[in-house]
Order: sequence, then structure tokens, then C-alpha cells
Amino acid sequence: DTGVSQDPRHKITKRGQNVTFRCDPISEHNRLYWYRQTLGQGPEFLTYFQNEAQLEKSRLLSDRFSAERPKGSFSTLEIQRTEQGDSAMYLCASMGLAGGLTDTQYFGPGTRLTVL
Amino acid sequence: SQQGEEDPQALSIQEGENATMNCSYKTSINNLQWYRQNSGRGLVHLILIRSNEREKHSGRLRVTLDTSKKSSSLLITASRAADTASYFCATDWGGNNNDMRFGAGTRLTVKP
Repeated sequence: DTGVSQDPRHKITKRGQNVTFRCDPISEHNRLYWYRQTLGQGPEFLTYFQNEAQLEKSRLLSDRFSAERPKGSFSTLEIQRTEQGDSAMYLCASMGLAGGLTDTQYFGPGTRLTVL
Repeated sequence: SQQGEEDPQALSIQEGENATMNCSYKTSINNLQWYRQNSGRGLVHLILIRSNEREKHSGRLRVTLDTSKKSSSLLITASRAADTASYFCATDWGGNNNDMRFGAGTRLTVKP
């Protein structure tokens, strides 16, 4: 257990429905990341928050995707009008600030999304 | 786009043998990290090596970094069945500390 939790662990939905995932990072970590991982591939960067500010977004994050981190604590990732291609594991990671250099990212267990 | 490429894609060894996995990357980096992922689970951080370091050890793990060749290797000595997992290298993208890119991973199977 890394201290990062994600909810739900599994989500099955029908095409066209909206889904929302939640990530609770390690409490003292100010940076939070979302990744998507498909079978047989490594995680792909989606977006990153420093405190409540969303500082970077990948071009993978289409306009159907939105992420928030109100109050700089937990974060939510919403996918609207889901498509079958959205089926993947969605991973959240948090990281503290360590002198400006990249430090260790601690990953949650992921939310596995299946779009039927 | 993905940054690292692990080699081999899959590796099968007997318990007690050593396992070596390699990672090549494309851009300049500040550091390189190795992670382990058991099937269907989240990633577990193994080791971080900074660009000014050449070798690092942690228990049965040994990581090397050659920035001139843009490559790294992960050696697991005296492997155990519990080491069976996928192993990923990750680097910061072009020196951007907040954008970490992963390879596709090496699937390691350790047979008891």
C-alpha cells in the first residue's frame, strides 16, 4: 500500500455514459498525476496538478476528459460520453516537492474502466 | 509518445538466476526510475538514478545509467518467484521534471 487510494477499483459502463474516478493522494504531497494504461503498454501521461492548479495536459486528454483537484487535496477525473477506446486502467500518482527535481511518484492501485 | 523502450519485451528464467532488463530513451533526462507492476495492480517504485550517477544498488537490485548511450539496465540477482511482474523504466521528458514517460515494459517470469 503506497498511501494513494483510488475509487472505484473497477467500473463497467455502457458507451455514451459519463464516469467519474477519484484519487486521494498522500496527504502532504502537493503534486498529483493521472495516467492511462492499456494492456501491454506502459502508463501514458494525461495531466498533472500542483496543488489545485492543473499545469499540464497531454493531447491524449480530449475535450471529453476533465480533471479537477479542488482545494489541492483529492482529485477527480471525469470522462463524458465514454467510448470503447476509453477502456483502460486509469492510474493516479502523487509526489512531494524535493528541491525542484523529480522525485518518486507513488501510484495508487488504479481504476479499471471497461466500456461496453 | 512513449520515451523509453525496454528490452527484452519478455524474459523467463528459473528461480535463483539473475535477470537483466534494459531501457533506452530518446531525450536528455534529469533522472531515470524503474517501477514494478504486478498483474492488474498499481506501480511500485523500485529505484531512482539521477543523470549524474552511473550505478545504484538497492538490495538485490542494481541499476546502471549510461547517459552517453541513453540507456539503463536493471539487474535483479538471485531471482525469486515473487519477482514475477512487469518492469518499467520511466524518465522525465526532455528534462521536464513534471512529465514522466514510461516504456512498454519487460514482462519477467521467474519459474520456481
